[in-house]
Amino acid sequence: EDQVTQSPEALRLQEGESSSLNCSYTVSGLRGLFWYRQDPGKGPEFLFTLYSAGEEKEKERLKATLTKKESFLHITAPNPEDSATYLCAVQGWTGNQFYFGTGTSLTVIP
Amino acid sequence: DTAVSQTPKYLVTQMGNDKSIKCEQNLGHDTMYWYKQDSKKFLKIMFSYNNKELIINETVPNRFSPKSPDKAHLNLHINSLELGDSAVYFCASSQTSGTNEQFFGPGTRLTVL
Repeated sequence: EDQVTQSPEALRLQEGESSSLNCSYTVSGLRGLFWYRQDPGKGPEFLFTLYSAGEEKEKERLKATLTKKESFLHITAPNPEDSATYLCAVQGWTGNQFYFGTGTSLTVIP
Repeated sequence: DTAVSQTPKYLVTQMGNDKSIKCEQNLGHDTMYWYKQDSKKFLKIMFSYNNKELIINETVPNRFSPKSPDKAHLNLHINSLELGDSAVYFCASSQTSGTNEQFFGPGTRLTVL
């Protein structure tokens, strides 16, 4: 069964303290792995798509990496504006199903 | 310009009522989705429509019925609302060719009293 597990569930960082969020997945043929950011009261905002093991994508302080079993979202020198819930989703080749993880709630303290 | 829009943003209603949520996308995408996000923030897909045809129905009670009048619109009608239907409902769209990422609307917070 396709599924996605994210860890940690919640993370508190001091401003400037770098860290990584984890997304472990099992899927019958990976079509794509997606990272989203969700702010309170809003819809998820697309960040990255990764397609194959070894692929990396960067955007400002964020860098996403992918292996055959997991993805990491690295946050370098975060500031309070980076506080949000980060969601990971996978899509398999068997259909249009997207499976989301339960997210990591990130709080960056000034 | 709003890419994916939903109305209403908030919906408060009594048990047993029937209600609808509307969604529109102006991205030219060919696939639209409805998701339910529960109190623990877990996003679960409910329906997917590709070119006005239903292609996913993930064990959703038949009180929920999606309607797609055209590629740019996907509405969700809910009959006989129950307390457990209280959640945030998100509409999303994607293009099946290309990078395939989904773009989400702002959500509709449904509260059933």
